[in-house]
Amino acid sequence: EVQLVESGGGLVQPGGSLRLSCAASGFTFSDHYMDWVRQAPGKGLEYVGRIRNKANSYSTQYAASVRGRFTISRDDSKNSLYLQMSGLKTEDTAVYYCARISLCSGGSCPRPLDYWGQGTLVTVSS
Amino acid sequence: DIQMTQSPSSLSASVGDRVAITCRASQSIGSYLNWYQQKPGKAPKLLIYAASSLQSGVPSRFSGSGSGTDFTLSISSLQPEDFATYYCQQTNSGSPLTFGGGTKVEIK
Repeated sequence: EVQLVESGGGLVQPGGSLRLSCAASGFTFSDHYMDWVRQAPGKGLEYVGRIRNKANSYSTQYAASVRGRFTISRDDSKNSLYLQMSGLKTEDTAVYYCARISLCSGGSCPRPLDYWGQGTLVTVSS
Repeated sequence: DIQMTQSPSSLSASVGDRVAITCRASQSIGSYLNWYQQKPGKAPKLLIYAASSLQSGVPSRFSGSGSGTDFTLSISSLQPEDFATYYCQQTNSGSPLTFGGGTKVEIK
């Protein structure tokens, strides 16, 4: 059974830092791209960023709203995904989800997010 | 970035109704469009990928259509467990991923 379990959320002051983790199990973690998506209270889903697999040089991409402040990394030996957040702002307050990107098959590669964790709440407030 | 516009933002319907939610992209995205369902306090769940492919385990009353810039999620006969918020997402290569604003389906 595929499982993604986030941890590390909590209350942090503006300008502070926090590191989120996502523990993966039930699938070959190293094969998959992984995403972080967040959801502010009462709001919609917002893409945070992506890390690709080793075959794609672990390359990353970020939403403009977090670029330069957030860093995504992974440790395939530990089946773990990370989100290092710094320079936190009140508008970063949200539930943060890690999500697995489906592998490509055939000629099409739509890369949907086929499994999600339960989320971890980050609150940025003084 | 590609903007995704969903409509309506909310709707009221009864059990057994047919429901349609639309999603429009600000530029052509081919068939790189996915649909998710989210219930309160829960993570989103993938329903439809590549515009019209049903994710494994999702009831066949859900269907997706469209290509280019205009897409539709349809529910053929609304069930009590379908009351939720639905999001579209574009995954066009080379563009930052973006989600639509969501459509909340409520009980009439």
